[in-house]
Amino acid sequence: ETGVTQSPTHLIKTRGQQVTLRCSSQSGHNTVSWYQQALGQGPQFIFQYYREEENGRGNFPPRFSGLQFPNYSSELNVNALELDDSALYLCASSSQSTRGMNTEAFFGQGTRLTVV
Amino acid sequence: AQSVAQPEDQVNVAEGNPLTVKCTYSVSGNPYLFWYVQYPNRGLQFLLKYITGDNLVKGSYGFEAEFNKSQTSFHLKKPSALVSDSALYFCAVRDWDAGNMLTFGGGTRLMVKP
Repeated sequence: ETGVTQSPTHLIKTRGQQVTLRCSSQSGHNTVSWYQQALGQGPQFIFQYYREEENGRGNFPPRFSGLQFPNYSSELNVNALELDDSALYLCASSSQSTRGMNTEAFFGQGTRLTVV
Repeated sequence: AQSVAQPEDQVNVAEGNPLTVKCTYSVSGNPYLFWYVQYPNRGLQFLLKYITGDNLVKGSYGFEAEFNKSQTSFHLKKPSALVSDSALYFCAVRDWDAGNMLTFGGGTRLMVKP
C-alpha cells in the first residue's frame, strides 16, 4: 500500500452536477497531482499542487479546479459534469525539493466517477 | 512537448519465459522515466525509475528496465515471468525542464499464461 487514500471509491453523478473528490497524501509528501484515466487509456495529467498553490496544469478546462490544504491533503472539484468526464480519477503524492524536482509519484486507488 | 509510446497493446508470454514490454519516449530536455503497474480496479503501483547513472535499472518484483538514450527507449524486462505478473503496465516520462507532470503511454496489457 502507498499510503495515499482517496474517497469515495465510486460515485455516480448526473450531467450538469458538481463533484468533489478527496485525497490524503502519503506522510512526508508535500505535493499532490491529479490524473484522469479514461477507460482503456493512460492517465492524463490534470494539475499539481505544491504548498497549497497550483504549480502545473494539463489540458483541462477551468471547470476542473482543486485545493490543497495545510496538511497536504487535496480536493478535485469538477463543475458542470459532462458524460465524457466519466473516468478513474487518480491522486498521486510526491515530495518536491527546494530545486523544484519531485520524487517518484505514489498513487491512490482512484475514484471511479460515472456521469449519467 | 513530451510524449511516450507503448507500441504493443498486449504482450503474451508463457510462465517462466522472459518478458519485454516496450516503451519509447520524446522529451526536449533530460528524461526521467518510470514504469508503473495497474491491477484491476486498483491505482498505479510504482515499479522502477531512471533518473541518471547506470542504464540498467532494477525495480520491484524482479523487474528491470534498460535506458537507451540513442534509441530513446526504456523497455521493461523480467527474466522469468509469473502468472501473477499479468496486469496493465504504463511507461511514463517526466521532463524536468518542462515541469513536474508525468506523461504516460497508453499502456500494455501483459498476459502470462501457465
